[in-house]
Amino acid sequence: GAGVSQTPSNKVTEKGKYVELRCDPISGHTALYWYRQSLGQGPEFLIYFQGTGAADDSGLPNDRFFAVRPEGSVSTLKIQRTERGDSAVYLCASSLTSANTEAFFGQGTRLTVV
Amino acid sequence: AQTVTQSQPEMSVQEAETVTLSCTYDTSESDYYLFWYKQPPSRQMILVIRQEAYKQQNATENRFSVNFQKAAKSFSLKISDSQLGDAAMYFCAYRSSYSGNTPLVFGKGTRLSVIA
Repeated sequence: GAGVSQTPSNKVTEKGKYVELRCDPISGHTALYWYRQSLGQGPEFLIYFQGTGAADDSGLPNDRFFAVRPEGSVSTLKIQRTERGDSAVYLCASSLTSANTEAFFGQGTRLTVV
Repeated sequence: AQTVTQSQPEMSVQEAETVTLSCTYDTSESDYYLFWYKQPPSRQMILVIRQEAYKQQNATENRFSVNFQKAAKSFSLKISDSQLGDAAMYFCAYRSSYSGNTPLVFGKGTRLSVIA
């Protein structure tokens, strides 16, 4: 596609429920990142994929959070047993392999846990 | 770990005037990249300007320029001839260059208002 696409744009869920957030990166971009942006804060790193494998998942806050990228393109961020503190905008970005290339961001998914 | 600090939560500027947004960072690395991103209400982060730490010359992109002071670990953004469309959140970000595609480290942002 022309840009990074994230779905849904907004998601409201009840505390304790399971949610999946989807990211479709720019075609040909092998690097994919998930960030979480809480209200009034800058984005914070969650996990980075290089191809199909998670190269760095040090930002995942706990084991309720998990992400996959089975075919090296679309990625899904999965949150189990959601808590009100998980409410945030979840941003996805993709880039080519080299470190000095631009990371392109999607418009994010705003997750609200009620 | 690297940190990025933006000490101005909010700034305002008159249309057509110039404004400077501040950013400082902390790192023990000598080679890295610095970025300014713009985030409008649509939430999509848009790259404004990029600076490689090994380059002494300050980056410039049309009305946007930076003042990169490596020794002081300072990276400010200057917006000249401000336009109404420049109103947004601005984030300063750092990326290490040592291990391939490392994630960005962001500051907390500065909300810029442009007054007509």
